[in-house]
Amino acid sequence: EPEVTQTPSHQVTQMGQEVILRCVPISNHLYFYWYRQILGQKVEFLVSFYNNEISEKSEIFDDQFSVERPDGSNFTLKIRSTKLEDSAMYFCASSSSSGGPSYNEQFFGPGTRLTVL
Amino acid sequence: AQSVAQPEDQVNVAEGNPLTVKCTYSVSGNPYLFWYVQYPNRGLQFLLKYITGDNLVKGSYGFEAEFNKSQTSFHLKKPSALVSDSALYFCAVRDMGTGGFKTIFGAGTRLFVKA
Repeated sequence: EPEVTQTPSHQVTQMGQEVILRCVPISNHLYFYWYRQILGQKVEFLVSFYNNEISEKSEIFDDQFSVERPDGSNFTLKIRSTKLEDSAMYFCASSSSSGGPSYNEQFFGPGTRLTVL
Repeated sequence: AQSVAQPEDQVNVAEGNPLTVKCTYSVSGNPYLFWYVQYPNRGLQFLLKYITGDNLVKGSYGFEAEFNKSQTSFHLKKPSALVSDSALYFCAVRDMGTGGFKTIFGAGTRLFVKA
C-alpha cells in the first residue's frame, strides 16, 4: 500500500541553525501539506501546497519557514533559523485530487521529531 | 470558521465493552468530517470519513462513527474495545473556506482500554 515517508525520523539541532525536513508524498497525489504537533498538544496546520505554489499558510508559517518541491517526488520544509519553540513533531501529508481535495482524506507520514537545543 | 471539539481528554473502557469517543463540530456549509488515530511514536492514521450519505460511517479496525446533524456531532464508536485500541484519537474537519483544504484537528482524546 502506498504511503507517505519522511526523513529523518528524528533531528536534533542547535538554536539558530537551519533544518530541512524531507517528505516523499504518495506518487499520484497533487496536494501536499505540513502540520506540526508540539508534544502533548493538538495537530496544527502549517502550509498547503499545490501546483508548485503555496495555496494556504497559517500564522505559524512565518518568514523563517519555506517549502519546496525540488523534484517530482520530494516535498521539503525548511526552517531557516530554528528557535526552541520549533521543537515539535512535523507531519507531512498528501491527498489525491480525484473526486476533489475536499473529499479525500489526507495521508500522513510518520513524522519527524525536531528537537532544538 | 470550521472547528471541532473533543470534550473528553481521556476515555477509559474495559476490554470487550463498547466505546464512544465524542466529537462536536461547527462548520459553515456541508461538513467533511474525519477521524484519525495516533499510536505512540507513530504518525496519524486515517480511520474514517463522513462526506455525505448514510449517517453511520464504517471505517478501519471495526470503528464506526455516527453523524448527527441536529446535534452537530460525529462520535466515534466501536462495539467491543480491544487493548490494542489504546491510542490518541483526533476528530477533524476539512476547512473549505480558503481553497487550501487544510484539516483542522480537535485537541485529541486519549483512549485507555483496560484488560
